[in-house]
Amino acid sequence: QQPVQSPQAVILREGEDAVINCSSSKALYSVHWYRQKHGEAPVFLMILLKGGEQKGHEKISASFNEKKQQSSLYLTASQLSYSGTYFCGTEMYSGGGADGLTFGKGTHLIIQP
Amino acid sequence: GAGVSQTPSNKVTEKGKYVELRCDPISGHTALYWYRQSLGQGPEFLIYFQGTGAADDSGLPNDRFFAVRPEGSVSTLKIQRTERGDSAVYLCASSLGAGVDEQFFGPGTRLTVL
Repeated sequence: QQPVQSPQAVILREGEDAVINCSSSKALYSVHWYRQKHGEAPVFLMILLKGGEQKGHEKISASFNEKKQQSSLYLTASQLSYSGTYFCGTEMYSGGGADGLTFGKGTHLIIQP
Repeated sequence: GAGVSQTPSNKVTEKGKYVELRCDPISGHTALYWYRQSLGQGPEFLIYFQGTGAADDSGLPNDRFFAVRPEGSVSTLKIQRTERGDSAVYLCASSLGAGVDEQFFGPGTRLTVL
């Protein structure tokens, strides 16, 4: 089941804040966030696991509501370098090892000077 | 250190031909993933290897697609009788494989089937 991301696109002025949401109809074990710039590979931002553990970059924050199967990525004081497409990838089950991710369709973020 | 590398970077082929796409993961990463990404879409999972074995191939669209990782390092994605609908960017990623962890993506191979 592909997670649903919202909004589809957002345009901000440099320094403004943004929230990107990711929701699933299935119970999730983990949510992974990536940013992809045009023509480049996705770059890791953060992992949120069931139970509250997080792995990621200091300047990026996110939340994971396990009951609602939702995650939100918070971008504060946005910089021009934040522009790109943000994807959430979800895992429904952990069998003790890593798993392939199911990605949403992405949120396009444009930061203007 | 070196990241995930993929070759070729671009591949143009004709409908019905056979293609091989290569992925060289980060040294020491036991988990390797193949995804494909169409324009305007997120990566779509194809197959995941843990070591030499395919731990999950549920994302392969049909039996024209096959992947191997014979020595637990380099992997090859093989597509037989290519169709125009196979055109996409094929991404490879690797991770340490010891649990839920960051997946490092390669630059991808852009496959165009004419």
